Amino acid sequence: GAVVSQHPSWVICKSGTSVKIECRSLDFQATTMFWYRQFPKQSLMLMATSNEGSKATYEQGVEKDKFLINHASLTLSTLTVTSAHPEDSSFYICSARDLGGRNTGELFFGEGSRLTVL
Amino acid sequence: AQTVTQSQPEMSVQEAETVTLSCTYDTSESNYYLFWYKQPPSRQMILVIRQEAYKQQNATENRFSVNFQKAAKSFSLKISDSQLGDTAMYFCAFMGYNFNKFYFGSGTKLNVKP
Repeated sequence: GAVVSQHPSWVICKSGTSVKIECRSLDFQATTMFWYRQFPKQSLMLMATSNEGSKATYEQGVEKDKFLINHASLTLSTLTVTSAHPEDSSFYICSARDLGGRNTGELFFGEGSRLTVL
Repeated sequence: AQTVTQSQPEMSVQEAETVTLSCTYDTSESNYYLFWYKQPPSRQMILVIRQEAYKQQNATENRFSVNFQKAAKSFSLKISDSQLGDTAMYFCAFMGYNFNKFYFGSGTKLNVKP
């Protein structure tokens, strides 16, 4: 299947700093990527839909100024957690669909990024 | 709005036996996709099986098969000959035919015991 790569896989930062997480589609173009947040032993919560060349669409309750999303190219979307606080500590997962020749509807997921804010 | 419900937070099965994970969903759409994803301790989400709603035949992938009951809006996953490597969280997911949002169930933790 298609490959989605996420980096970094694990990051620790101090409270008040910003952290950027990258999500890349390696062998297909992704006009749309999705960012999820997963708390321990819970399901994936959709945070926002990242659209190439336009503003991201945020789910209700997600602070757009805290979680900045940029989708500057067809293969890269970034999530920046600004002024991170301990409550932002979580597992963040990106995903994308290959709407090209392999369009099967399924989402391909990155490996996830564990953020720990001290 | 679409919702996906997994009523079994945790299940256990002996190695080599068969287990069925339940999933129900709610939608007003007639065409859609349903998925089962597996999340092992590594946290990497892995597609297990996919079903297109307009296909009446139940999807099968080796030891994994589904029982898709469209009228009942039910989509259960059967794992045959369970293996230790099947131990993971399993998420049922729904996607509308217009490839809009993906909705996940709350997950079922499956423990395969030796």
